[in-house]
Amino acid sequence: AQSVTQPDIHITVSEGASLELRCNYSYGATPYLFWYVQSPGQGLQLLLKYFSGDTLVQGIKGFEAEFKRSQSSFNLRKPSVHWSDAAEYFCAVGYSGTYKYIFGTGTRLKVLA
Amino acid sequence: IAGITQAPTSQILAAGRRMTLRCTQDMRHNAMYWYRQDLGLGLRLIHYSNTAGTTGKGEVPDGYSVSRANTDDFPLTLASAVPSQTSVYFCASSAERGWGEQFFGPGTRLTVL
Repeated sequence: AQSVTQPDIHITVSEGASLELRCNYSYGATPYLFWYVQSPGQGLQLLLKYFSGDTLVQGIKGFEAEFKRSQSSFNLRKPSVHWSDAAEYFCAVGYSGTYKYIFGTGTRLKVLA
Repeated sequence: IAGITQAPTSQILAAGRRMTLRCTQDMRHNAMYWYRQDLGLGLRLIHYSNTAGTTGKGEVPDGYSVSRANTDDFPLTLASAVPSQTSVYFCASSAERGWGEQFFGPGTRLTVL
């Protein structure tokens, strides 16, 4: 069955530290991969997406993610976290020929001043 | 301003009552979705619509119904609300299959007592 796993429910980092949020998916073919961010009380906003080409993709707010087919992973990274990055982050997978997504359960990021 | 609007913003509802959550988009997107977001469970798809006139069941459709009479509107109805339907509900839309970004509304916080 298709699935998306975000193994870290909560992550706490200090402001200025680097960040990596993990995402693994289960699917037989190459999926379309997304990271969304949700600030408190808000809807979700797209950070970045991958569907072909360069496996390292750049997004908004200084985020990047790398698609690793061999590991079925699409981890999100940021070299230096800002306090405003505190939010919940969702990895999602879309599949060719369908409009549907599968979302991970989310990782809540806390940033220490 | 282009985007998705949802109404109401929040609602407290007695169990057994009927409730319709409204969703309207002005981006002329083909696909629309309803998700519920619960702590620790991420976003789960309730129903979706690939185009006006068609709808489909998602992961957790029981107790909910939808209609898609036109491109812009995608209401979600709870025929007889139960406390387990207490959640935050998000409407979303997308233009392309699989690889398309989903645009999210601000959400409706529903409490069923």
